[in-house]
Order: sequence, then C-alpha cells, then structure tokens
Amino acid sequence: GQNIDQPTEMTATEGAIVQINCTYQTSGFNGLFWYQQHAGEAPTFLSYNVLDGLEEKGRFSSFLSRSKGYSYLLLKELQMKDSASYLCAVRGQTGANNLFFGTGTRLTVIP
Amino acid sequence: DTEVTQTPKHLVMGMTNKKSLKCEQHMGHRAMYWYKQKAKKPPELMFVYSYEKLSINESVPSRFSPECPNSSLLNLHLHALQPEDSALYLCASSQDNTPGEKLFFGSGTQLSVL
Repeated sequence: GQNIDQPTEMTATEGAIVQINCTYQTSGFNGLFWYQQHAGEAPTFLSYNVLDGLEEKGRFSSFLSRSKGYSYLLLKELQMKDSASYLCAVRGQTGANNLFFGTGTRLTVIP
Repeated sequence: DTEVTQTPKHLVMGMTNKKSLKCEQHMGHRAMYWYKQKAKKPPELMFVYSYEKLSINESVPSRFSPECPNSSLLNLHLHALQPEDSALYLCASSQDNTPGEKLFFGSGTQLSVL
C-alpha cells in the first residue's frame, strides 16, 4: 500500500521562505515529484528527486532522504501567486507507471 | 504542442445516463492516466494505459470503463454512476514508463451526478 503524508494547511508571509514536508511509506520507490495546483486548475510539475539531496530550480528547491522516507519543498521569496496546493507524489514500482499523490498542502500567502 | 486536452470541461448527468469523457495529447506520449479528484483532496489514480494497453486498474467500479483507441486518445465511459462519483476527472500523460518522466495533466472534466 501507499501512505504519503503532508500538512493540510500552511500560511506564510509574502517575501518569506516556507518549507512543506512530505513523508512516505510506499511499496517500491522510483522517485518523488512535487506538483503545484491552483484551485480549479490542473496540477503542474515543479520538481523531481530520485537520489538523496537537494535539487534547486529558481525560487523552488526540493530535498529527498530515501532512508528516512522524507522530502520537503522549499519556496523562497514567496509571492501572492504561490498561494496554491502543493502535492507530493511518489512513483512506486519500476515500469508500473503509477504515481500516487499525498494529501496535499494548501498554502496561503498573506501580505 | 505540450497540452493534454480534455472534453467536456463540465458535465451534468443523471444516474441512468451513459456519457463519455475524452482526453487527447499529441506529444507522442505512450502512457496515459485517469485520476479522480474530490474537492480539497489529492488526485486518486484510477487507470493507467501503457502503449495502449491497460496496465493498472486501481479497483475501480465497473461503472467506469476506460478505452484507449490509439496512442493519442483516452476515453472514460460512464454508466449508472452514483452521486458520490461527482468529482473532477483528470487525464494525464507521460513519455513512457521511465521513472523520472513527469506527468502532464489536462484541466479536467468537472462531473456532477444528480
């Protein structure tokens, strides 16, 4: 089975830094994705980690520790448009094409 | 063209109706997916097609019937649905089954079952 947990809601101030955590227990592991989803819209890809460590892409960074079953998404210089849900998703067994999503974290950026 | 197109955007149907959701991509992707998303919940995997063959069915009730006519098209046929099936239905595609391949999502069909 798959168990992927994230905080339900977070609030942060414009210009600040926020870290969204994700813990997972899955049958097989072939990478972890972060997606952003604005209300009423499709999820859009943010980052992918398969090896331990930090991946940086502009204002967004994502970290993975496979031994701990843990990842985080770091958002810097927050902007109002970053208010959205952030979904952690894990790909399980190789070749199975499966991608399972966590509970999602609804981030609200306030002035 | 990096889009996944879903039609219709909105659908209202009765419990005795038969309807179909359509999904199309022209990125040459060989894996296509159906997800169901209830309000304020994450997407839940329903079906996966890989190279036009059904590779995953996540124990979805038979009132949902997927079909992949060719590598660019994915349909979801609906029959005798229940009100609790009301949700946003998302289609996605990826290049293939390589683990690092990201999914591209369509904007979804918002389904209401009366």
